[in-house]
Amino acid sequence: EIVLTQSPGTLSLSPGERATLSCRASQSVSNSYLAWYQQKPGQAPRLLIYGASSRATGIPDRFSGSGSGTDFTLTISRLEPEDFAVYYCQQSGSSRTFGQGTKVEIK
Amino acid sequence: QVQLQQWGAGLLKPSETLSLTCAVYGGSFSGYYWSWIRQPPGKGLEWIGEINHSGSTNYNPSLKSRVTISVDTSKNHFSLKLSSVTAADTAVYYCARIEYDILTGYSNGAFDIWGQGTMVTVSS
Repeated sequence: EIVLTQSPGTLSLSPGERATLSCRASQSVSNSYLAWYQQKPGQAPRLLIYGASSRATGIPDRFSGSGSGTDFTLTISRLEPEDFAVYYCQQSGSSRTFGQGTKVEIK
Repeated sequence: QVQLQQWGAGLLKPSETLSLTCAVYGGSFSGYYWSWIRQPPGKGLEWIGEINHSGSTNYNPSLKSRVTISVDTSKNHFSLKLSSVTAADTAVYYCARIEYDILTGYSNGAFDIWGQGTMVTVSS
């Protein structure tokens, strides 16, 4: 099983700031089968990024993904009020697993 | 607009079997893996397993002995059964889909559509 470790656990930032979230895999994720999701309280997760760097339909371009192999990054260029949420990475290279999440909170 | 609508019993006693169903509205049933994912209160997401339109399944190894996922293509439904539940199975359960190419098998491996979630509590 591929274990995904996200860091930091919590990111305290102000609106307008840049957020950088990390996801590290215990082994290489094949074909960059790495996705990122946003989850707000009481809601289902929403797909943001797939294939490590492709934005899902309707996702603003302030969200970007990068990385390959074992190290992946989600960047939110300028935080909007609605971006404060929990973010999960997920891999489908070997079975399917999720990271434990990073909470982006208002500073 | 594709929607997933799920339902099932929300309160179970230990040792009972959890049973949930997810219906697919407004879209094709073939060309997708249909998954179940759960989230214990205040915790992260755990993939349970998946099925495609022809009934081929994949399960999380940690749950495989207790999980059965089935499909009813005539109703565009798929279902989850989890046996011998304990308090550790208390969670919000989601259904979700992953697209794949029927001819090539290629998939981006990402869950693009999710159900609304069903809270299942296991308590004596």
